[in-house]
Amino acid sequence: KQEVTQIPAALSVPEGENLVLNCSFTDSAIYNLQWFRQDPGKGLTSLLLIQSSQREQTSGRLNASLDKSSGRSTLYIAASQPGDSATYLCALQGSSNTGKLIFGQGTTLQVKP
Amino acid sequence: NAGVTQTPKFQVLKTGQSMTLQCAQDMNHEYMSWYRQDPGMGLRLIHYSVGAGITDQGEVPNGYNVSRSTTEDFPLRLLSAAPSQTSVYFCASSTGYNEQFFGPGTRLTVL
Repeated sequence: KQEVTQIPAALSVPEGENLVLNCSFTDSAIYNLQWFRQDPGKGLTSLLLIQSSQREQTSGRLNASLDKSSGRSTLYIAASQPGDSATYLCALQGSSNTGKLIFGQGTTLQVKP
Repeated sequence: NAGVTQTPKFQVLKTGQSMTLQCAQDMNHEYMSWYRQDPGMGLRLIHYSVGAGITDQGEVPNGYNVSRSTTEDFPLRLLSAAPSQTSVYFCASSTGYNEQFFGPGTRLTVL
């Protein structure tokens, strides 16, 4: 059974720091992997989607990488800002295109001014 | 585009009551799903659909029913509400191979 793990559960950093959020999965047969942001009491906002055949995707200060062989994805946030404070979730689709996502528990990020 | 919309935003039920959570999308997406989010448990899949007339169970389907008569709508029915169904419910849609879009959620409390 596919399992998705995000460590650490919480992270606090000073403003301006570059940081990496980790996501690991147990089965390398994935269709795609998506990173989301969730603000308290709000829904999920899609940040980046990496297809199985891709190694990384970039959007602004965000860069997501995917290494299927090691079962890892990372979300790199450059020059962090207080507005980046939120919970970051990774989720993947298994080996087939079913629209079903398996989520990690998330990393709650606090960026201190 | 309104994207994915969910109604109601908040709901309080008594044990044993039934209700329907509404979900609609205007992006002509084939795939739609329902998730529940609970502290310490993350988001878990309840039911999903790969097209009108096609639905299947996810990880935690008990106590919930779905149908998909149109591409746009995917309602979630609670047959007889229980306190264990107190949660935040999210609906999502996608083309399958592209990113998934989530609605704003419904916060449900069952007393």
